[in-house]
Amino acid sequence: GAVVSQHPSRVICKSGTSVKIECRSLDFQATTMFWYRQFPKQSLMLMATSNEGSKATYEQGVEKDKFLINHASLTLSTLTVTSAHPEDSSFYICSARDRNSYEQYFGPGTRLTVT
Amino acid sequence: KQEVTQIPAALSVPEGENLVLNCSFTDSAIYNLQWFRQDPGKGLTSLLLIQSSQREQTSGRLNASLDKSSGRSTLYIAASQPGDSATYLCAVRGGGSEKLVFGKGTKLTVNP
Repeated sequence: GAVVSQHPSRVICKSGTSVKIECRSLDFQATTMFWYRQFPKQSLMLMATSNEGSKATYEQGVEKDKFLINHASLTLSTLTVTSAHPEDSSFYICSARDRNSYEQYFGPGTRLTVT
Repeated sequence: KQEVTQIPAALSVPEGENLVLNCSFTDSAIYNLQWFRQDPGKGLTSLLLIQSSQREQTSGRLNASLDKSSGRSTLYIAASQPGDSATYLCAVRGGGSEKLVFGKGTKLTVNP
């Protein structure tokens, strides 16, 4: 089956620093990738939709200048959390849509802890 | 705005029992509905996807049904095993949209 990887799986950073999370589709091309955030015991909330070669579309309430998304190729999207604060601590999950089958496949997630 | 609700929030059953997880959604104009499994601290594993035109899908001991008009889906797990312990998430994709709207999940514990 299709595989989506995320790197890093866990990251701890200090308040005020920036953190980059990578999402890769390993065996398929993805014109669209999605970034979700999940707080403990809560549902996954869509943050933004990332389209290859164009600007990301952010959901209401998500600051685009704080959560920078780049989708530079058909297999890679990155999410950069800028000037991170403790309230940004969460589980970030990406998914990638196969350009041929249109199915979405999810990555294993990245646990971000901001101290 | 689409809202997805899952009941119960948590369920504990003895091994071997058959069980049903419920999912309801407010807007019946969906493209498809998907059930996922999430282990603690892990990503999502897709279990079953039901297109809006379908009534059910089966995979091994899992059977998912969809009643679009009433805004409901159920996930039936037969002969549950301790390895089935996980959180089960239901998500719907609206017509004309690629966005998935998730429920909060049902945390299942199967006791040996």
